[in-house]
Parts: sequence; C-alpha cells; structure tokens
Amino acid sequence: QQQVKQSPQSLIVQKGGISIINCAYENTAFDYFPWYQQFPGKGPALLIAIRPDVSEKKEGRFTISFNKSAKQFSLHIMDSQPGDSATYFCAASIIGSARQLTFGSGTQLTVLP
Amino acid sequence: DTEVTQTPKHLVMGMTNKKSLKCEQHMGHRAMYWYKQKAKKPPELMFVYSYEKLSINESVPSRFSPECPNSSLLNLHLHALQPEDSALYLCASSPQGAGLNQPQHFGDGTRLSIL
Repeated sequence: QQQVKQSPQSLIVQKGGISIINCAYENTAFDYFPWYQQFPGKGPALLIAIRPDVSEKKEGRFTISFNKSAKQFSLHIMDSQPGDSATYFCAASIIGSARQLTFGSGTQLTVLP
Repeated sequence: DTEVTQTPKHLVMGMTNKKSLKCEQHMGHRAMYWYKQKAKKPPELMFVYSYEKLSINESVPSRFSPECPNSSLLNLHLHALQPEDSALYLCASSPQGAGLNQPQHFGDGTRLSIL
C-alpha cells in the first residue's frame, strides 16, 4: 500500500517535444505529491508539487496532472530542453507524517538536441 | 546552491575506519533526515529526527549511528562499514507540524566509497 509505481524507466525526447512521466499509488491516505529532479552528482531538488484537491498545477513548462479517482498523477514537461535531461522521481506523502516521502523508482529523461 | 549543506562531498574509507558525515541547514526546519541512494535508484530513508529527537530508524545496521546536536546540525557516524555501504548519502530537512505541506529540501550528498 505504500508503493508508488513510476513509468517509464527511461525516456528519450527530441528538443521541443513533450515529456510525460506517470505515477500511480495505492494508499488513499497520501495527500501530497511532489516531483523531484536530480542531476548527476546532485541531490534531488523539488520541482513541483500538488495536493489532491486540485486536478492540475502548472509552473512554467512543468505541469502536474492529478486523477484522484484513478490514483494516478503525471508530470508533463512542455518544450523539453537538453538542460531538462535528468532523473525524475515522483513521490507521495501524508502531511503531518514523520515518515514523509515514498518515492517512485525514477525516470531517466534524455532530451536530444 | 542548496540550502542544506553536506560535508564532505566525497569520502573513501576502509572497513575498519571511523568517520562522520555532517549536514547543516539554517532554514529553521525541525525535521531532518538521512537517506541512502544507490545508483539509478530512489533515495531510501534511514533515519528521521524530529525536534532533535530520533523518531524513525528504518532498521539501519548499528554501524551507522546518527546524532542531532542541535536543530541545525545532523551527523552520521560511520564505523566498520561494508563494501555494500558504498552509496550517496543524502541529508534532507523539512518544516515540522501538522497541516503543513512538508517539502523536503535535500543536500547534494556525500559520495561514500568503502574499500
């Protein structure tokens, strides 16, 4: 019930294309869904996050779509750039829980120039 | 630059050595975390400190010993590590309190290699 399933494992996109990464969860107690971006040699950095009371959140080229009934959420990167090449982790947590984040398995995104 | 600072950035040690990893944050966060990350894998939670008290130990072997001297500092003491302990060790912090969105802020980690 604590698992968050993430797909695809790797993704190659042309510059200017749309990158889409999907996650699914089972635990309906999760109420906070962040996405982290990690470059080689760096720690994960919070990219964007959403609460289940909204279906979409957009910040610049990054959009989270959230489907509460299907227990799925996805990250869309519009106009993908080579600088977006990184590993992306979805995560889920329960606000107020000390245990915090349950991570997806990660997606390695490569944006070709 | 991240707001969570970890030192050293790289550490090579033998299996009989004793060393410590250090983490510092000045964001006023009262929850601090240690994670272990293997290549191409997500971070795995090791320890959680809440208000300077250890609240979660994810069944981590005793050769890893955490310490939280104050609300800004977190240490991880290492002793008699095994080659499989080679990994990136990440520290994170977050605000603490019911009702808060609790985004975790990660440091850039210490790359640990056990010879």
